[in-house]
Amino acid sequence: EDQVTQSPEALRLQEGESSSLNCSYTVSGLRGLFWYRQDPGKGPEFLFTLYSAGEEKEKERLKATLTKKESFLHITAPKPEDSATYLCAVSNTGKLIFGQGTTLQVKP
Amino acid sequence: GAVVSQHPSRVICKSGTSVKIECRSLDFQATTMFWYRQFPKQSLMLMATSNEGSKATYEQGVEKDKFLINHASLTLSTLTVTSAHPEDSSFYICSARAQGHEQYFGPGTRLTVT
Repeated sequence: EDQVTQSPEALRLQEGESSSLNCSYTVSGLRGLFWYRQDPGKGPEFLFTLYSAGEEKEKERLKATLTKKESFLHITAPKPEDSATYLCAVSNTGKLIFGQGTTLQVKP
Repeated sequence: GAVVSQHPSRVICKSGTSVKIECRSLDFQATTMFWYRQFPKQSLMLMATSNEGSKATYEQGVEKDKFLINHASLTLSTLTVTSAHPEDSSFYICSARAQGHEQYFGPGTRLTVT
């Protein structure tokens, strides 16, 4: 069964304290792994797509990496405005299978 | 680029009435659109997939006669919640996909049924 598991469920960081979010997945025929950011009461905002093991993508303080079993979202020197829920999803048939998300809180 | 809008953003209706939610891709043509619902502190649950000009494909457990989906053009899909009841109160989010695999999400619609 296709499945996505994110950890930790919640993460509290001090401003400037770097960390990583984990997304473990099992899927038959990966068509892509996606990272989204969701703020309360809003729709998810697209961040990255990764297609193959070894691939990395960066955007500002965020860097996403992919292996055959998991993906990491590294947050370098986070700021309070990075506080949000980060969702990981995989696609095999064109549908997205989401994890439960990691809620990040960055304190000033 | 890749902007998706939803209307309305919030709606309150009485039990037994129907509500229509619109989803538009503003700067690209969406070959496929998706409808999700999200309960508080939970992840997104896919309700249905719609392709322009075709009947929507519903996920298991989603009542197709209750949640009517119309994908009339490459930029517009609508979700109508018929005979709404309080248990239908939720956050409904649409997404649109063009040629690639990425889905771009709308801002969501908060439905409250009283």
